[in-house]
Amino acid sequence: DTEVTQTPKHLVMGMTNKKSLKCEQHMGHRAMYWYKQKAKKPPELMFVYSYEKLSINESVPSRFSPECPNSSLLNLHLHALQPEDSALYLCASSQVASPSTYEQYFGPGTRLTVT
Amino acid sequence: GENVEQHPSTLSVQEGDSAVIKCTYSDSASNYFPWYKQELGKGPQLIIDIRSNVGEKKDQRIAVTLNKTAKHFSLHITETQPEDSAVYFCAASSEYSGGGADGLTFGKGTHLIIQP
Repeated sequence: DTEVTQTPKHLVMGMTNKKSLKCEQHMGHRAMYWYKQKAKKPPELMFVYSYEKLSINESVPSRFSPECPNSSLLNLHLHALQPEDSALYLCASSQVASPSTYEQYFGPGTRLTVT
Repeated sequence: GENVEQHPSTLSVQEGDSAVIKCTYSDSASNYFPWYKQELGKGPQLIIDIRSNVGEKKDQRIAVTLNKTAKHFSLHITETQPEDSAVYFCAASSEYSGGGADGLTFGKGTHLIIQP
């Protein structure tokens, strides 16, 4: 089973709202990722968690706040977003095995619209 | 950081013919090169990958080749079928700490169209 689940599937929020995106995997993976994908563009890395600790932050604005409560869950807290933040937000997970990179499996994404 | 170039941006082939998509990368430290297929409204699906200690890998109708000296890798799909129509992305691991949890840098994608 290589399933990564994400909720909600769609989200519409105003610029003053606070919302959260959720991601879950039960493959025993210890690395989890957030990517942002704009229409007709490739995914762009935002954050990487390794063993529940933030290991990479790709200079993402502070209105995006990641959280990894345990090895199976990854959240992305959203606050005071801008319309240009509208995109598909993808979660992925992989094993961790230094120094090699292992296969990353993606969820279906959350389609976010900021009004 | 890593930079991945992908060509062509659109590829139209007749059903049953072969399709080839090519990528180049810039960071000689990258050692992992996956290919993803993304259908409309879905997340990327890993279809095949290759590591820098291997020159070629095949899985049924799909094959990937890697030339580490030239820093390029290619996806080959033979006997194409209508269900192969999708956007294909190549990617390279971005070597941050070498800690085994590295983000991927993606190419811009190829829209593959299979003509019946």
